[in-house]
Amino acid sequence: DADVTQTPRNRITKTGKRIMLECSQTKGHDRMYWYRQDPGLGLRLIYYSFDVKDINKGEISDGYSVSRQAQAKFSLSLESAIPNQTALYFCATSDLQGSGSNEQFFGPGTRLTVL
Amino acid sequence: QKEVEQDPGPLSVPEGAIVSLNCTYSNSAFQYFMWYRQYSRKGPELLMYTYSSGNKEDGRFTAQVDKSSKYISLFIRDSQPSDSATYLCAMNSNTNAGKSTFGDGTTLTVKP
Repeated sequence: DADVTQTPRNRITKTGKRIMLECSQTKGHDRMYWYRQDPGLGLRLIYYSFDVKDINKGEISDGYSVSRQAQAKFSLSLESAIPNQTALYFCATSDLQGSGSNEQFFGPGTRLTVL
Repeated sequence: QKEVEQDPGPLSVPEGAIVSLNCTYSNSAFQYFMWYRQYSRKGPELLMYTYSSGNKEDGRFTAQVDKSSKYISLFIRDSQPSDSATYLCAMNSNTNAGKSTFGDGTTLTVKP
């Protein structure tokens, strides 16, 4: 079984709809991240969390919110989706006790299309 | 200007070629330098990392860091079609609270 899972894997929605993307991990890591990936723009950090009570904005948090329901679960919400939020979304985890490289383990991604 | 700039590619080479992938950066506090490989329709996976300056070799892959020039490279020897992927460089410092800064990625195609 995959260590980092994301649901759904694909989603098509309409402008103005509320969308939730979910991430679960079995790695026992404290740190969790949400990124979006767009062609030519690499990975951009949306939100990150270092434990259940710690939530931080990344470089592109506007229009997004998150919830850390448990150590293993980190959800990303788009309150009112807009077309320029069409992208590939990745969840990632890393181990607080790991090496300073902060090696991140990524989920398989969610492809979101907003019409 | 971005903290991390990566040669955009795409890059297409014949099988067996030596490939050089490169990134430059501006933040002198970066100490850890990573290369992630991302296959199509998959999430990135860490390929290798280097702490501070120097070289690190792992099979056909060599990571090189030159902190004086703020320049890092990944060399792939005897490239194979299975190396076809997007390669992302990433960096972080000791004090950046567990956040890595990623390059935009270089897409490599190795043709048989």
